[in-house]
Amino acid sequence: SQKIEQNSEALNIQEGKTATLTCNYTNYSPAYLQWYRQDPGRGPVFLLLIRENEKEKRKERLKVTFDTTLKQSLFHITASQPADSATYLCALSTGANNLFFGTGTRLTVIP
Amino acid sequence: EAGVVQSPRYKIIEKKQPVAFWCNPISGHNTLYWYRQNLGQGPELLIRYENEEAVDDSQLPKDRFSAERLKGVDSTLKIQPAELGDSAVYLCASSLDSSQADIQYFGAGTRLSVL
Repeated sequence: SQKIEQNSEALNIQEGKTATLTCNYTNYSPAYLQWYRQDPGRGPVFLLLIRENEKEKRKERLKVTFDTTLKQSLFHITASQPADSATYLCALSTGANNLFFGTGTRLTVIP
Repeated sequence: EAGVVQSPRYKIIEKKQPVAFWCNPISGHNTLYWYRQNLGQGPELLIRYENEEAVDDSQLPKDRFSAERLKGVDSTLKIQPAELGDSAVYLCASSLDSSQADIQYFGAGTRLSVL
């Protein structure tokens, strides 16, 4: 069966450290992968997109890697801040913009 | 520019009652999506529209759920009758089109509680 697993339900880190979130998938052949942020009571907000032929993408303090051999994406937030605390969702697309979402990782950055 | 607008934000109903949710997408966005998000889970697609045509409704429970997008702009999602298991957040999203790499913009959602 198809699965998208995000490494942990919750992750706590100290302010200033790098947060690393993992997204693993099985039985998908994604054309691209997106990461979204979701705050309580709000809808997901797009952060980054990486295509199957790309290894890495960066945007300010965010970095995403995509390894189609390992079937894994890593999402990094460097110099983390309390304002980065939220749930982060990975989403795969196999085509026609049908997004399949993981269950999310709730990140808490401790001051 | 206004984002995706959904109403109501919250709805509490008794089981077997009908309920409807409304979505106004970002102006100019041709593609509209309805998702359901259960507590602690990611959003799951219910239906996708290209303009006024429903192009993917394979996950929509058609015995009780219906949706429409008249004139290819606003959309409504209806449940009749509601069941206890329908309690969830219903999210609407829109994108410019459904090309492979199009970004989706989400509304704040409607939180439905069925008692």
